[in-house]
Amino acid sequence: TQLLEQSPQFLSIQEGENLTVYCNSSSVFSSLQWYRQEPGEGPVLLVTVVTGGEVKKLKRLTFQFGDARKDSSLHITAAQPGDTGLYLCAGRSGGSSNTGKLIFGQGTTLQVKP
Amino acid sequence: SQTIHQWPATLVQPVGSPLSLECTVEGTSNPNLYWYRQAAGRGLQLLFYSVGIGQISSEVPQNLSASRPQDRQFILSSKKLLLSDSGFYLCAWSVKAFGYTFGSGTRLTVV
Repeated sequence: TQLLEQSPQFLSIQEGENLTVYCNSSSVFSSLQWYRQEPGEGPVLLVTVVTGGEVKKLKRLTFQFGDARKDSSLHITAAQPGDTGLYLCAGRSGGSSNTGKLIFGQGTTLQVKP
Repeated sequence: SQTIHQWPATLVQPVGSPLSLECTVEGTSNPNLYWYRQAAGRGLQLLFYSVGIGQISSEVPQNLSASRPQDRQFILSSKKLLLSDSGFYLCAWSVKAFGYTFGSGTRLTVV
């Protein structure tokens, strides 16, 4: 069974600080996605990484896919209160290319205090 | 543009009552459709997925069932709800290897 472990589970920081969220697995994924979810809403896709070692930037967010495609990280620079939410990583195995099934991590709850 | 509708937003049901949650997608054809359940502040557990009309795959044994009577309609049902069925239910669609688009979710409370 493929699992994705996210760390930390909870993070409370002050506005302006930097942070990194990790997503790790012992399995290889063909792609990995990051979502952000606000309370009472569905998750919203932030980014998809496909190639080992790939780095993508979305404003103050930097996403990296591990060389072996088993792990990923999300780094936020100068966090703002608007970044508050639940961050979820999700991986797709090569065998699920037709079904599109994603395996989700347990999430990281981020609180950015003004 | 593609949109996904999920309803109702909230639902309070007594134990033993039936359940029907509906999800419809607009603006795309032959999507893959998914039902997930989420515990408070936690990750998503895949319940069912469908790659076509009438094709349903169940990921975990449970008190729920799913059906796909039309290409862009996905229904989650139960004949008799249990307390443990309470949770936040999310419908999502995707086309092959692309990312998911989620509905806004249904908060189900079984009392």
